[in-house]
Amino acid sequence: QKEVEQDPGPLSVPEGAIVSLNCTYSNSAFQYFMWYRQYSRKGPELLMYTYSSGNKEDGRFTAQVDKSSKYISLFIRDSQPSDSATYLCAVYSGYSTLTFGKGTMLLVSP
Amino acid sequence: EAGVTQFPSHSVIEKGQTVTLRCDPISGHDNLYWYRRVMGKEIKFLLHFVKESKQDESGMPNNRFLAERTGGTYSTLKVQPAELEDSGVYFCASRGQDRSEQYFGPGTRLTVT
Repeated sequence: QKEVEQDPGPLSVPEGAIVSLNCTYSNSAFQYFMWYRQYSRKGPELLMYTYSSGNKEDGRFTAQVDKSSKYISLFIRDSQPSDSATYLCAVYSGYSTLTFGKGTMLLVSP
Repeated sequence: EAGVTQFPSHSVIEKGQTVTLRCDPISGHDNLYWYRRVMGKEIKFLLHFVKESKQDESGMPNNRFLAERTGGTYSTLKVQPAELEDSGVYFCASRGQDRSEQYFGPGTRLTVT
């Protein structure tokens, strides 16, 4: 079983839609949960991170962690064509290495 | 503040040759990481420096890979001799002390033919 599972997509939505991106993880030791956005031929860009369970909101983006079910989500409201990218979830247990999911490709059409 | 930079952006070499990748972390970041993404797979950890010391090199695939961080500033990752399966995108990331966030560079795309 992979440590982090993420549906690779692609996920295609029309502009303005609410997008839900999800990951599951297997190791309950993970405490930090990150979402990175990666445009084609670029490096991963940190979008948001949360510590332990709960929600965190930043503009149109909301990150949600449910440690009881080992499930993490990223919601994008009012999606824009510029949101088209690959979204990577990553987890780690402390000040150590990141474990990534494969990434979900999101396509937002005008 | 300048971000993490990597050089070169793309390298094409033949099997058996040597390649050296360079990473310049964000100024003041003691923690430097190397990751790799091969086609179709997730980004995977290679190793972690704290200043000039190797904190964790458990992800290094074999002894053809050598990473250095002399003086605790920039880092190099040498692959010698390169094999076909070394092709992929090599990312560098840095993190400040007592911080959780890792910031990534644009990556070096390595193609071994």
